[in-house]
Amino acid sequence: DADVTQTPRNRITKTGKRIMLECSQTKGHDRMYWYRQDPGLGLRLIYYSFDVKDINKGEISDGYSVSRQAQAKFSLSLESAIPNQTALYFCATRPTAGNTGELFFGEGSRLTVL
Amino acid sequence: KNQVEQSPQSLIILEGKNCTLQCNYTVSPFSNLRWYKQDTGRGPVSLTIMTFSENTKSNGRYTATLDADTKQSSLHITASQLSDSASYICVVSAGYQKVTFGTGTKLQVIP
Repeated sequence: DADVTQTPRNRITKTGKRIMLECSQTKGHDRMYWYRQDPGLGLRLIYYSFDVKDINKGEISDGYSVSRQAQAKFSLSLESAIPNQTALYFCATRPTAGNTGELFFGEGSRLTVL
Repeated sequence: KNQVEQSPQSLIILEGKNCTLQCNYTVSPFSNLRWYKQDTGRGPVSLTIMTFSENTKSNGRYTATLDADTKQSSLHITASQLSDSASYICVVSAGYQKVTFGTGTKLQVIP
């Protein structure tokens, strides 16, 4: 089983629908991240969380919200999806310290908004 | 503004040949530089990390170099294999938290 699991892996939805992408991890890491990847652009940070009580906006948080339900679970929501949110979304984890910052990524969730 | 630029954007090579991917960065203060490999439809996976004091590091057929003075890194792949077909992403950290991603080089190895 993957250490960082994302569901769903693929989702097609319509404009205006609410969508939730879920991420769970078995690595025991405190820090969790949501990134978005678009063709020709680097991974961009949407939100990140250092622990259950800590949520922070990234560089492109508009139109998104997150919930850290437990240390191992971090979900991303699109309250009202729009076509330019069509992208590949990645969840990642990282320990609090000691590993020089390596990010461990999930397999990705491909979202298409029609 | 912290930036990471990679070249070329894409590359096609014959199986068995060598290739070199480039990464230029303007990230301050520099902590480390990682190369990630991202297979199609998968998440990125770290290949190697370079810290300020390191010039060269190898991981099997992958060799990364770092020139901290010119702020350049390269990833050299020796005797390429079909399984090397992937995107290679250069990621530079400024401190533990601030991470800047390059846009990646898409490598295709053909028989």
